[in-house]
Amino acid sequence: DAGVIQSPRHEVTEMGQEVTLRCKPISGHDYLFWYRQTMMRGLELLIYFNNNVPIDDSGMPEDRFSAKMPNASFSTLKIQPSEPRDSAVYFCASSRGGQYYEQYFGPGTRLTVT
Amino acid sequence: GENVEQHPSTLSVQEGDSAVIKCTYSDSASNYFPWYKQELGKGPQLIIDIRSNVGEKKDQRIAVTLNKTAKHFSLHITETQPEDSAVYFCAASTGGGADGLTFGKGTHLIIQP
Repeated sequence: DAGVIQSPRHEVTEMGQEVTLRCKPISGHDYLFWYRQTMMRGLELLIYFNNNVPIDDSGMPEDRFSAKMPNASFSTLKIQPSEPRDSAVYFCASSRGGQYYEQYFGPGTRLTVT
Repeated sequence: GENVEQHPSTLSVQEGDSAVIKCTYSDSASNYFPWYKQELGKGPQLIIDIRSNVGEKKDQRIAVTLNKTAKHFSLHITETQPEDSAVYFCAASTGGGADGLTFGKGTHLIIQP
């Protein structure tokens, strides 16, 4: 299996621009998670989906952030408009089940907003 | 919500010695505690986990202990090797339909040759 695939690996954009991060989960996994990692706040759960349905988006920081999962093999995290404080590494992870199942993380997207 | 504290933030040990990383959690309803290892430039990877009905679990050189009364759990790595150098994260899951993880801030483990 190819593992969780994220694109792009690096993104540099200017403040105010729209940013879209993409994720392809492992085939057969029913859960998909988006995390953000910064030095100050560590790894934070932003949102997760079960069978393409958003279950908990309480970690999404602001209305500028939105996530979709139109089908079982694709998800996007969009930031519009982007701000310098959004600079972080964004990880997507997937798992076969809920709580007790291993979450497989992708390589991450390093976002820099100038 | 759940809050997970992790200590130390950096740990340097001699190769062959043992390393211990400790975490505490706040929500007594938490019942699943995984540990993840993150190497430079990569995503975290699960190395061991423990459920609340178990006090200790071992996997070769790695062990995890859980004290539900005190709400803390620890990772023990014995006979450390250079490839153990990485950032380690503890996490907790509350369950009851909540499937996301709350992570500690991480421990940078450095194995000195």
